[in-house]
Amino acid sequence: DIVMTQSPDSLAVSLGERATINCKSSRSVLYSSDNKNYLSWYQQKPGQPPKLLIYWASTRESGVPDRFSGSGSGTDFTLTISSLQAEDVAVYYCHQYYTTLWTFGQGTKLEIK
Amino acid sequence: EVQLVESGGGLVKPGGSLRLSCAASGFTFSHAWMIWVRQAPGKGLEWVGRIKSKAEGGTTHYAAPVGGRFTISRDDSENTLYLQMNSLKAEDTAVYYCHYTTHAPAFVDYWGQGTLVTVSS
Repeated sequence: DIVMTQSPDSLAVSLGERATINCKSSRSVLYSSDNKNYLSWYQQKPGQPPKLLIYWASTRESGVPDRFSGSGSGTDFTLTISSLQAEDVAVYYCHQYYTTLWTFGQGTKLEIK
Repeated sequence: EVQLVESGGGLVKPGGSLRLSCAASGFTFSHAWMIWVRQAPGKGLEWVGRIKSKAEGGTTHYAAPVGGRFTISRDDSENTLYLQMNSLKAEDTAVYYCHYTTHAPAFVDYWGQGTLVTVSS
């Protein structure tokens, strides 16, 4: 199985400031035949199911604010929130769908400083 | 509108069994790969397993912690996904989510609201 490791486990950022969450996979999730990274990012708020933010590592889901962006390739990925808003307080997960058995990172809890 | 509605959760004793259901609507269920994901109280998301469409063999895959104890099945005539859970352990206590996603031609992603399974004596 591919192990997804996020850093940090928790993060406190001031409103309007940038938040950066990292995700490292134990092996590459870049599929050579289509040159796509099989990685997505989810946001989860208490009592709610996860919400898809980013897929193919950098494609923003429809309706997701453009302050959210994804980057990276191969084994190292980043989710960036360019200007933190109060409604962004949540837990964020990276997720690989490259292998037969899909896996999630352990989550990063984002709070307001 | 896509809807996924889980049911069947509850309290069960260690070693017991439970079957969860996920009623799907708003998309062509028979063509879909369907997934179960769980989340223990206060913990992160854990991928449980997946079933492919019958046209693709209906193949199932399971995460190591549940392999041999859990079985995913589907009834395409009823647009329903199932998770049969046997030999339940305390560590299986979690909210279980039904998840539908496709990656081609468009990327779509839907989740149910989840159903809570508590394994305790």
